[in-house]
Amino acid sequence: EIVMTQSPATLSVSPGERATLSCRASQSVSSNLAWYQQKPGQAPRLLIYGASTRATGIPARFSGSGSGTEFTLTISSLQSEDFAVYYCQQYNNWPRLTFGGGTKVEIK
Amino acid sequence: EVQLVESGGGLVQPGGSLRLSCAASGFTFSSYSMNWVRQAPGKGLEWVSYISSSSSTIYYADSVKGRFTISRDNAKNSLYLQMNSLRAEDTAVYYCARDERHLFDYWGQGTLVTVSS
Repeated sequence: EIVMTQSPATLSVSPGERATLSCRASQSVSSNLAWYQQKPGQAPRLLIYGASTRATGIPARFSGSGSGTEFTLTISSLQSEDFAVYYCQQYNNWPRLTFGGGTKVEIK
Repeated sequence: EVQLVESGGGLVQPGGSLRLSCAASGFTFSSYSMNWVRQAPGKGLEWVSYISSSSSTIYYADSVKGRFTISRDNAKNSLYLQMNSLRAEDTAVYYCARDERHLFDYWGQGTLVTVSS
């Protein structure tokens, strides 16, 4: 099983600031990495796939980068609606799909 | 508009059974593979099971293999998860999620399963 490790567990950021979230895979997943956003009481929403491609309707302030084992999700200027938990997911080792433990982005 | 609506959750005793359903609309259900993903209270996401569009290919996470059965009825645009021999650690919100090249591009709102005596 590929273990996905996200850091930090919690990120405190002021509105308008940049947020940088990290995701590390225990072995290479190539670019088969997705990011999801989950708000309290809601289902996750797909943000990024292929490590860097935004899903339909996702604002340009969200960007993803990386390949192999190291990945980053950047939110360039945090809006109030962006405070949420973010999960990475690898789909390189299908069907053994695995998620990271999540990073909570909270208001500083 | 794509919609996925889960139902069937509830409180069940350890060792009991429950059947979850997911009603799909807004897309051609029979053309898509589907998944169940769960989330224990306050925890992260765990993939549970996958079924191909024709039901010819099915996979399970090791944690549920032999106890859970995924199925679908394309005529009814519905996905199911039969859960037997339930354990406390199966307590979670269960989401159905549409599969798009092994990504989860649409999710339902989830149904809560609580396993407790």
